[in-house]
Amino acid sequence: GENVEQHPSTLSVQEGDSAVIKCTYSDSASNYFPWYKQELGKRPQLIIDIRSNVGEKKDQRIAVTLNKTAKHFSLHITETQPEDSAVYFCAASIKAAGNKLTFGGGTRVLVKP
Amino acid sequence: DTAVSQTPKYLVTQMGNDKSIKCEQNLGHDTMYWYKQDSKKFLKIMFSYNNKELIINETVPNRFSPKSPDKAHLNLHINSLELGDSAVYFCASSQGGYITEAFFGQGTRLTVV
Repeated sequence: GENVEQHPSTLSVQEGDSAVIKCTYSDSASNYFPWYKQELGKRPQLIIDIRSNVGEKKDQRIAVTLNKTAKHFSLHITETQPEDSAVYFCAASIKAAGNKLTFGGGTRVLVKP
Repeated sequence: DTAVSQTPKYLVTQMGNDKSIKCEQNLGHDTMYWYKQDSKKFLKIMFSYNNKELIINETVPNRFSPKSPDKAHLNLHINSLELGDSAVYFCASSQGGYITEAFFGQGTRLTVV
C-alpha cells in the first residue's frame, strides 16, 4: 500500500521567515496530494491541495510543489506568522483506492515572534 | 451549520465496555471515513463507506464495527474496549468520483481507563 514520509517532524522558525515541509510517497498511482493544518485540539483542515497533472500551486503565502518523477511534494509557507503555528500533515490519495488518504507523520511548526 | 459533526466529543470509559460514536454530515457527500489519531498525532484510516457500502477496511480489530444507515451517517461501535483504543477518532466525508477535499469532524477523544 501507499506509504508517505514527512520531514521534518518539528520546525521552529522566526516570524517572517519561510518554512518548508517535504513529503515523499511510494505509490506512483497516487494522484491527489492535500495538505492539512491541525491546531491544538482542533480538526485537520485543508489548506491547499495539488493534483498529479499540476507541478505547482500557490495560494497567498502558501505554495505546494509536486515532482511526480521523484515522488515528492513540498509545502512552502512564506512570511510566517504566529498563527501559522500548528501541526501540518501531507497526504496522498489514489482515486482507485476509494480516495483513501494516507497521511505523513506530521510536522509541528512553531513560529516564534 | 456544522458540516461534519460527531458525538460525543469526549468519551471516558472502563476497559471491557462497549461504546459507540456517531457521525453525521450535511454536505451531501457520498463517501464517509473513520480515522484514528494516536497519541503521537499519527492519522490512520480505519474504514470508508461509499453510499452505505463498505469500500475500505484497513487492518482493524474485529471489535471495531462501522455502520452506515444512510450516506449522511456513519457510526462506529467498539466492543470490549482496551487501553490501547485510547485515541482521537475523526469522522470525515468527501464527494466521490473525482477526488475532492475531505472534511473532518471535530473528533471524539476516547479515553479507556
